[in-house]
Amino acid sequence: ETGVTQSPTHLIKTRGQQVTLRCSSQSGHNTVSWYQQALGQGPQFIFQYYREEENGRGNFPPRFSGLQFPNYSSELNVNALELDDSALYLCASTRLQDRGANYGYTFGSGTRLTVV
Amino acid sequence: GQSLEQPSEVTAVEGAIVQINCTYQTSGFYGLSWYQQHDGGAPTFLSYNALDGLEETGRFSSFLSRSDSYGYLLLQELQMKDSASYFCAVRAGGSYIPTFGRGTSLIVHP
Repeated sequence: ETGVTQSPTHLIKTRGQQVTLRCSSQSGHNTVSWYQQALGQGPQFIFQYYREEENGRGNFPPRFSGLQFPNYSSELNVNALELDDSALYLCASTRLQDRGANYGYTFGSGTRLTVV
Repeated sequence: GQSLEQPSEVTAVEGAIVQINCTYQTSGFYGLSWYQQHDGGAPTFLSYNALDGLEETGRFSSFLSRSDSYGYLLLQELQMKDSASYFCAVRAGGSYIPTFGRGTSLIVHP
């Protein structure tokens, strides 16, 4: 079975620009979550999508938005980029009906975003 | 909201045993997970405790005490490849979405 894949792996953007990051979830998973991980910190939850709708959101402003597609892949969009948005963006997938199960989320290797 | 505390760094020698502690404050606790992350890599799920006690998976064990809001990850027979960051993550408050701690950097010396 394939794992979670993210693209691109690295990206450099200028402050004020917009960016789209992409994620393909693991086969059999129907839920995708996005996390932001600053250097030396733990992953911070941005939002989660299930059946193409957002069903959970962390403490991030509306300029962070997302989509989930029928094939369970997902996009994270960030508008009006700020310097503090520089971070590793991680995508994680799971099966919602198994959300209480004990095998956790499967993470991708992330997209390293640098805002200059 | 939830908050988690874990040491920022732990060092040990190859072959030794190391324990990484995690304390949490939350309401509506469901369970505590542990993840490993090597530099620049994806976090990898290690273990999950929903009930009190010890869960063992090979060289790794995880313990939970819900009454103390405390858990730990125990790594035995340390290997150089175990050098990584380890995160505890709590599921609580009506959501199954894990909230992560700031992570513990484990450095294994020869």
